[in-house]
Amino acid sequence: GAGVSQSPSNKVTEKGKDVELRCDPISGHTALYWYRQSLGQGLEFLIYFQGNSAPDKSGLPSDRFSAERTGGSVSTLTIQRTQQEDSAVYLCASSLGAAEGETQYFGPGTRLLVL
Amino acid sequence: GDSVTQMEGPVTLSEEAFLTINCTYTATGYPSLFWYVQYPGEGLQLLLKATKADDKGSNKGFEATYRKETTSFHLEKGSVQVSDSAVYFCALSSSGNYGQNFVFGPGTRLSVLP
Repeated sequence: GAGVSQSPSNKVTEKGKDVELRCDPISGHTALYWYRQSLGQGLEFLIYFQGNSAPDKSGLPSDRFSAERTGGSVSTLTIQRTQQEDSAVYLCASSLGAAEGETQYFGPGTRLLVL
Repeated sequence: GDSVTQMEGPVTLSEEAFLTINCTYTATGYPSLFWYVQYPGEGLQLLLKATKADDKGSNKGFEATYRKETTSFHLEKGSVQVSDSAVYFCALSSSGNYGQNFVFGPGTRLSVLP
């Protein structure tokens, strides 16, 4: 696969349930980013990984949100006890490195709807 | 902190009209600047970028010039097409404490009418 892939593409869940979103970055990309895009809004930064470590978790909106990355590749974003305000499109991006100026390549996103 | 400001949308133009979407930024130092585009139902994709002052990024007939003196990176196209209808995001990349610090503007929705 040439690009960033995300799964599922759509997820409908009930309030209070946990969800897991997956991101497969471009092979060889060491940096991985998660963003949230609410309806009609811009991108909200959530978390950044360099390799397997997450030096910047400053964007996670609450302790219900967590993310991990294993083997320097696939990442999962977990939202526990989902709330209706968590409904959004969750975007993953990867870049070759984390130097300033590196282009980020985005996946198609996971559209999450919490009922 | 770093920030990006874009003109409010939506912008509606007729086909073959001239397009300008304004973007200004605030950053310490000299960031790299990007325009990303999101077509309906698709993910964000890089449209063009510029990494230093006076650089011009260009792609698909779109252009933007990195103006340090006005801290701007306005997007222009001489003749828009219906297929250019999308949301356009201006973004900057700067060196942060943890590596690259990427900041996006709120996006500008463009609708081109036939």
